[in-house]
Amino acid sequence: EPEVTQTPSHQVTQMGQEVILRCVPISNHLYFYWYRQILGQKVEFLVSFYNNEISEKSEIFDDQFSVERPDGSNFTLKIRSTKLEDSAMYFCASSPDRSYEQYFGPGTRLTVT
Amino acid sequence: DQQVKQNSPSLSVQEGRISILNCDYTNSMFDYFLWYKKYPAEGPTFLISISSIKDKNEDGRFTVFLNKSAKHLSLHIVPSQPGDSAVYFCAASDLMRRGANSKLTFGKGITLSVRP
Repeated sequence: EPEVTQTPSHQVTQMGQEVILRCVPISNHLYFYWYRQILGQKVEFLVSFYNNEISEKSEIFDDQFSVERPDGSNFTLKIRSTKLEDSAMYFCASSPDRSYEQYFGPGTRLTVT
Repeated sequence: DQQVKQNSPSLSVQEGRISILNCDYTNSMFDYFLWYKKYPAEGPTFLISISSIKDKNEDGRFTVFLNKSAKHLSLHIVPSQPGDSAVYFCAASDLMRRGANSKLTFGKGITLSVRP
């Protein structure tokens, strides 16, 4: 069964450093998303992406964040200058259509020290 | 921002019995609801969904009920099995919102423990 994959599974970085989280969505899906879950809190929407552009972004997704689909398979989330409060589990998701359920990857645990 | 609420943090049931997980929402624009299951160190796994035009959807042991007037939905698992022990998230979306993807708004989750 096709699945969303994410790399790395755990990333440790120092405050102020740039990180890139990588995702490979399910191959025939057209809609892509990033969510995050800070420890003990809800899963929160960050950004959605369709047709090579951002469709919607939350208040969390400020100028420090960017997303890219550099080729036909990868979908990346970049944080330019990480802060301590960016420490969270980051989930990538994809769906074939906006009205379908979203399929989530296993997540990348980002730890900012 | 508590648009989707799962007020009970945990539930423990005996194997073979029914598990009922509840979820309330406040945003009347939500028209599509989903339940996800999550094991530790894994991403949320889609379980079952329901559109606001229905009041019930069933898939094997899992049934979701939607009461739009009360802005309440529930997930029933019958019979419960030890492998069902996980965190269950209720999520909602506004599919009719134009010009945007269907972002999901999640509840905090309920930890279900099924005792053998």
